[in-house]
Amino acid sequence: DVKVTQSSRYLVKRTGEKVFLECVQDMDHENMFWYRQDPGLGLRLIYFSYDVKMKEKGDIPEGYSVSREKKERFSLILESASTNQTSMYLCASSRQRTEAFFGQGTRLTVV
Amino acid sequence: KQEVTQIPAALSVPEGENLVLNCSFTDSAIYNLQWFRQDPGKGLTSLLLIQSSQREQTSGRLNASLDKSSGRSTLYIAASQPGDSATYLCAVKGGEGVGGTSYGKLTFGQGTILTVHP
Repeated sequence: DVKVTQSSRYLVKRTGEKVFLECVQDMDHENMFWYRQDPGLGLRLIYFSYDVKMKEKGDIPEGYSVSREKKERFSLILESASTNQTSMYLCASSRQRTEAFFGQGTRLTVV
Repeated sequence: KQEVTQIPAALSVPEGENLVLNCSFTDSAIYNLQWFRQDPGKGLTSLLLIQSSQREQTSGRLNASLDKSSGRSTLYIAASQPGDSATYLCAVKGGEGVGGTSYGKLTFGQGTILTVHP
């Protein structure tokens, strides 16, 4: 079974903290994605990586950065967390032209 | 820019009904289309994947069709059950133009919230 694992299910952080969300996949997929999901706004792409060390901005990259030093791991970084970054964060991976698989999600609350 | 629309936004049906969820997309240059299910507070579970060269895919009571030229897909659920209650999302891969790194990008619709009552 394909597995996409996000490091935390629930996370509470303080405003201004630097936050790391980790995602690991075990299927040697080239593509990895970070989305956030908010009520009424659907899934919005933050960043997309198409290979190691390669990244592309999604629709809402402001306030976020990413790191992909190894093929299996894609990290989302909130440089200085703010309350408007409270959300559900979803990681996914896929090959270039095949099925995408999602992790279980991380519900982040910034207080 | 690829845009994906799902209709209806919400649907409430009695158990046993057959139902159809709709998905449309603006750029037909896609690799594939995927239907997902999401239960409240959880991640997304893949239901069906249709490659751009295919017309339909079936899994149990689910059947998904794809008309790439008109930018449409439908998800048909037969004999609905209360356990089918969830949000259903469609996503297309590609559509940013031939070649280039954006071709692997996955774009989602807003979803259809389905409630099946006993």
